Amino acid sequence: EAQVTQNPRYLITVTGKKLTVTCSQNMNHEYMSWYRQDPGLGLRQIYYSMNVEVTDKGDVPEGYKVSRKEKRNFPLILESPSPNQTSLYFCASSIGLGELFFGEGSRLTVL
Amino acid sequence: QKEVEQNSGPLSVPEGAIASLNCTYSDRGSQSFFWYRQYSGKSPELIMSIYSNGDKEDGRFTAQLNKASQYVSLLIRDSQPSDSATYLCAAVPDYKLSFGAGTTVTVRA
Repeated sequence: EAQVTQNPRYLITVTGKKLTVTCSQNMNHEYMSWYRQDPGLGLRQIYYSMNVEVTDKGDVPEGYKVSRKEKRNFPLILESPSPNQTSLYFCASSIGLGELFFGEGSRLTVL
Repeated sequence: QKEVEQNSGPLSVPEGAIASLNCTYSDRGSQSFFWYRQYSGKSPELIMSIYSNGDKEDGRFTAQLNKASQYVSLLIRDSQPSDSATYLCAAVPDYKLSFGAGTTVTVRA
């Protein structure tokens, strides 16, 4: 079954404690991206990757890091989380730029 | 100005009616446009893509694109309660996908 898998699905953490949200896809897609979704603001892109070892900033990259060492994995790293990073995060993959397959989402709360 | 703007809604329509959703985009160079549906508590899923001017139909859904006026619309015919969701418009300016804030549709029985 084609899927994008994110973990953890739910996480409560404290300010400053580093965390990683993993994302893995089994469709051999070259393009992967991370979004955050906040009420009234819609989906905003954090980072994207066109291929292995190729990553670039989206609209809201501050406070986040990513890496793309393998085609299937695209982890999102929060080095020092802050409360304004409390959000619902989606990982997505696609063949091209627009027809995205989304993961189920990771709801993060930073206290 | 946001790159993609949608009428904010919410939009309430009776069952069996046509729901009309509108979206405008600012980058005239955008070539690809998409509609995603997101049920409450779920992830977005692609329902329509459109690349050229005119209409594209898929079942009860019709996407319309007018590049000269920089708008994209989605019509849902014979609306069903299962169509109650938030609909996200997206465009591709500058090699990245930009989403509108979404329009929430409620189909009342």
